[in-house]
Amino acid sequence: SAVISQKPSRDICQRGTSLTIQCQVDSQVTMMFWYRQQPGQSLTLIATANQGSEATYESGFVIDKFPISRPNLTFSTLTVSNMSPEDSSIYLCSAGATDTQYFGPGTRLTVL
Amino acid sequence: AQSVSQHNHHVILSEAASLELGCNYSYGGTVNLFWYVQYPGQHLQLLLKYFSGDPLVKGIKGFEAEFIKSKFSFNLRKPSVQWSDTAEYFCAATYTSGTYKYIFGTGTRLKVLA
Repeated sequence: SAVISQKPSRDICQRGTSLTIQCQVDSQVTMMFWYRQQPGQSLTLIATANQGSEATYESGFVIDKFPISRPNLTFSTLTVSNMSPEDSSIYLCSAGATDTQYFGPGTRLTVL
Repeated sequence: AQSVSQHNHHVILSEAASLELGCNYSYGGTVNLFWYVQYPGQHLQLLLKYFSGDPLVKGIKGFEAEFIKSKFSFNLRKPSVQWSDTAEYFCAATYTSGTYKYIFGTGTRLKVLA
């Protein structure tokens, strides 16, 4: 199994600012992903974080809005840029392989 | 497009009642199926998974799920729920013909009354 930590656990931000969320895994993993979980909704995949190359984004998500880095096999960051209240959500990092994914505790973001 | 649907959004049961949560997935080739649980204030945790073999899969905490290929279903069951089973349950799928990304259902919020 893998243990995943995220920082910060929650934040309240002003409109127009940016927030970077960090995700750390306690072991080397093949895949890392970023999800968004909006209130009352399921998990929506934002992108797959690829080590040493550009992330692979899902439909509806773009790099300018959600830049992602993954400098090594155990760490990734997601930035939510130029935030608006619609970005208020829980952002989850997950990691693992094709047979199992492990999830971080999430970052609860509120944009005012 | 590949999708996963969960029919029950909110379920309320009394302790000792039996539980069945529905999950259907869309056709897309070979599929791997999962149930995750999120207890209040905690991480998503894997309950059980199905890849191949015996279609009746047993997971942690007395949960089981049955893969019925003809119905594209993977329903979660527990014969007797406890108050501590109060949580949100997510069904998920990966398709081996694709990119192995997880596709989640909308979740079912279960409340067990003591």
